[in-house]
Amino acid sequence: AQSVTQPDIHITVSEGASLELRCNYSYGATPYLFWYVQSPGQGLQLLLKYFSGDTLVQGIKGFEAEFKRSQSSFNLRKPSVHWSDAAEYFCAVGDAGGTSYGKLTFGQGTILTVHP
Amino acid sequence: DTGVSQDPRHKITKRGQNVTFRCDPISEHNRLYWYRQTLGQGPEFLTYFQNEAQLEKSRLLSDRFSAERPKGSFSTLEIQRTEQGDSAMYLCASRPTRGGETQYFGPGTRLLVL
Repeated sequence: AQSVTQPDIHITVSEGASLELRCNYSYGATPYLFWYVQSPGQGLQLLLKYFSGDTLVQGIKGFEAEFKRSQSSFNLRKPSVHWSDAAEYFCAVGDAGGTSYGKLTFGQGTILTVHP
Repeated sequence: DTGVSQDPRHKITKRGQNVTFRCDPISEHNRLYWYRQTLGQGPEFLTYFQNEAQLEKSRLLSDRFSAERPKGSFSTLEIQRTEQGDSAMYLCASRPTRGGETQYFGPGTRLLVL
């Protein structure tokens, strides 16, 4: 069964500092990987996704993520954090086929706090 | 493209009452998912529709839960005899018929069972 681990429940950074959110997954084949962001009381907004090809993917709002098969990781990065980035971030793995119809398995989430 | 919409956004009910939520997917998307998110957790898969057919249900979906998508467009999720443990955010997502693995989420319905 697929699973996702986000080791950091809460991260605090200063505005302008760099950011890396960790994500490790367990999946039997090449996964579909996603990062979503959720503001309080809101739904999920897609930041970026990896299906195949270039292992460094660019997303919206200046975010990027790198797929590392050898480490089963898909860490999210941003070189300079803005106060508006404060939110909860979820990593997810999607089942590419079989009988699971593409359902997503999410990590527990990482809450990002940004200090001025 | 107006996005996925959900109604109501918030629902407060008393234990034992029935509640029904509605999801309207993006119009050209034939695939629809329901997820449940409890406080401090990531969303968990509940059920999947392709057009009007419900093709997969999670073990989380007890017999008090029923979901429908009668015409392959909007979907409803009903919870009968609600329990306090049903308090959560219920999220709906849709996905294109072809050419995409990305699920687009609605704003969710937050349920509080007193």
